[in-house]
Amino acid sequence: QKEVEQNSGPLSVPEGAIASLNCTYSDRGSQSFFWYRQYSGKSPELIMSIYSNGDKEDGRFTAQLNKASQYVSLLIRDSQPSDSATYLCAVTGNQFYFGTGTSLTVIP
Amino acid sequence: GAVVSQHPSWVICKSGTSVKIECRSLDFQATTMFWYRQFPKQSLMLMATSNEGSKATYEQGVEKDKFLINHASLTLSTLTVTSAHPEDSSFYICSARTGGRQYNEQFFGPGTRLTVL
Repeated sequence: QKEVEQNSGPLSVPEGAIASLNCTYSDRGSQSFFWYRQYSGKSPELIMSIYSNGDKEDGRFTAQLNKASQYVSLLIRDSQPSDSATYLCAVTGNQFYFGTGTSLTVIP
Repeated sequence: GAVVSQHPSWVICKSGTSVKIECRSLDFQATTMFWYRQFPKQSLMLMATSNEGSKATYEQGVEKDKFLINHASLTLSTLTVTSAHPEDSSFYICSARTGGRQYNEQFFGPGTRLTVL
């Protein structure tokens, strides 16, 4: 079992819709959770971090964490074509683990 | 956010030569730096973890004698690809981590695209 699992996609949503990205992790001792965005040919960029159960909102992005279910998600409201990228979930406990990423395409 | 730079951003070299890539944390001290490699349309692959002043920890399957890592200060880590071959052509990305639980994010450099002819 991988430490962090994501649906590789591709996920396609129309412009203006809500994109929902999901991630599960195996280590119950994990403490910090991150979402990175990676455009094609570029390095990952940190867009959200969350440390406690519940929701955290930053602009059009909302991260949701449920430690009991070992689940973290990212919602992107009012999706724009510029949101088209690969989104990486990362989890830290004793080590830092990345998921393989979900490819998102926002269709104009 | 924290800024991490890499130099060079791209390099082309002949087979058999060595290439050094620098990774710097510009506005924070990085106790730990990471080196990743990414082939086209594939996910990030962690190569090694480097802590300032100590030897790097390499992931399984990564040759430590081929990929030399030096983390001489809290703001600089270098990766040297020795005797590079075409199969080493890839996108090399470093990241740096701040300390403490709440500030445990990794910040990535812009990457170095290596092409070995």
